[in-house]
Amino acid sequence: GAVVSQHPSRVICKSGTSVKIECRSLDFQATTMFWYRQFPKQSLMLMATSNEGSKATYEQGVEKDKFLINHASLTLSTLTVTSAHPEDSSFYICSAILAGAETQYFGPGTRLLVL
Amino acid sequence: DAKTTQPPSMDCAEGRAANLPCNHSTISGNEYVYWYRQIHSQGPQYIIHGLKNNETNEMASLIITEDRKSSTLILPHATLRDTAVYYCIVRAPITNAGKSTFGDGTTLTVKP
Repeated sequence: GAVVSQHPSRVICKSGTSVKIECRSLDFQATTMFWYRQFPKQSLMLMATSNEGSKATYEQGVEKDKFLINHASLTLSTLTVTSAHPEDSSFYICSAILAGAETQYFGPGTRLLVL
Repeated sequence: DAKTTQPPSMDCAEGRAANLPCNHSTISGNEYVYWYRQIHSQGPQYIIHGLKNNETNEMASLIITEDRKSSTLILPHATLRDTAVYYCIVRAPITNAGKSTFGDGTTLTVKP
């Protein structure tokens, strides 16, 4: 299947700093990417839908000014957690859909710990 | 997107078939049924998907009832590595702004 990568795989930062997470589709072009987060022992929660070249669509309750999403190319989307706080500590997972297809492929996830 | 209902947990003996059910009684005509699994601390892995017909690939088989209100994922010969949380999702096509909403899934434990 198609490969989606994320970088970094894990990050530890101080409270108040910003963290950028990259999501790349390695062998296909993705017009649509999704960002999820997952707290321990919980399911994945959709944060936003990212379409190449346009503004992301955020789910209800997700602060767009705190979680900045940029989808500048068909193979890269970034999520920036601004002014991170301990409650933002979570497992962040991106996924991508091959342009013109329907199957959604997920990245390996990024574990964020805010101290 | 339609809501799905799955049993919270299931056990299966190694080498036997694992049959994971999913109810999606409010599924719309254009919504696909997708199955993913997530092994601890990893991103979800795509398994299989279908619209109306039964599907089979190298990982599993998907049986969708004629009224499309439920489906079953079948792992024909479960191994210990198949222990994971299995998610059943129904989603409209991306061109219809479809997005995958995850429920709680079924935790499958394959036992020796």
